[in-house]
Amino acid sequence: GAGVSQTPSNKVTEKGKYVELRCDPISGHTALYWYRQSLGQGPEFLIYFQGTGAADDSGLPNDRFFAVRPEGSVSTLKIQRTERGDSAVYLCASSPGYDTQYFGPGTRLTVL
Amino acid sequence: GQQVMQIPQYQHVQEGEDFTTYCNSSTTLSNIQWYKQRPGGHPVFLIQLVKSGEVKKQKRLTFQFGEAKKNSSLHITATQTTDVGTYFCAGRDTTSGTYKYIFGTGTRLKVLA
Repeated sequence: GAGVSQTPSNKVTEKGKYVELRCDPISGHTALYWYRQSLGQGPEFLIYFQGTGAADDSGLPNDRFFAVRPEGSVSTLKIQRTERGDSAVYLCASSPGYDTQYFGPGTRLTVL
Repeated sequence: GQQVMQIPQYQHVQEGEDFTTYCNSSTTLSNIQWYKQRPGGHPVFLIQLVKSGEVKKQKRLTFQFGEAKKNSSLHITATQTTDVGTYFCAGRDTTSGTYKYIFGTGTRLKVLA
């Protein structure tokens, strides 16, 4: 079956611009995670959804970052007033419950 | 806050040699997961450990969860070139009320043929 998909695969933007990153989880998976991974580092937790609600958003760096999952399936990570330090690979993972996380291929964000 | 460290950061081995990576958490964990990330790829789930002292095997891979549930290890016997990649542990804090996972710093394995 289809895995987790993320769009776009690459996004180049200018400092100060707004970006949206999309995640399509595996059908039926109730849990959805967003992570950020910088080169040579492990995935850094951003936010976790259980259904439509954000169960834990303690990893969001500041109020420029926001994520939604309005129908409990697709999720969008939104970044306002992008900064060069936001450049990283943004990974999405979904899970059928509370264990295995299935990761998508990621979106590489570059802020010039 | 919770921190998860892994050692070593890098490991180069000759094909056929064994490899071990260690994962240490600053807090007690409910469970720990292991992932493998190939160069240019995304993390792929390997296994989850839940019980204190648990040992699980997958072919040449052996995973252990410490008695105090604060550390874990992954051991690969007789490495192959297909084992190349970065291995991450990810732990969930017992005090966390949610299923938030903190990933370790990773161990990058290179296997020389």
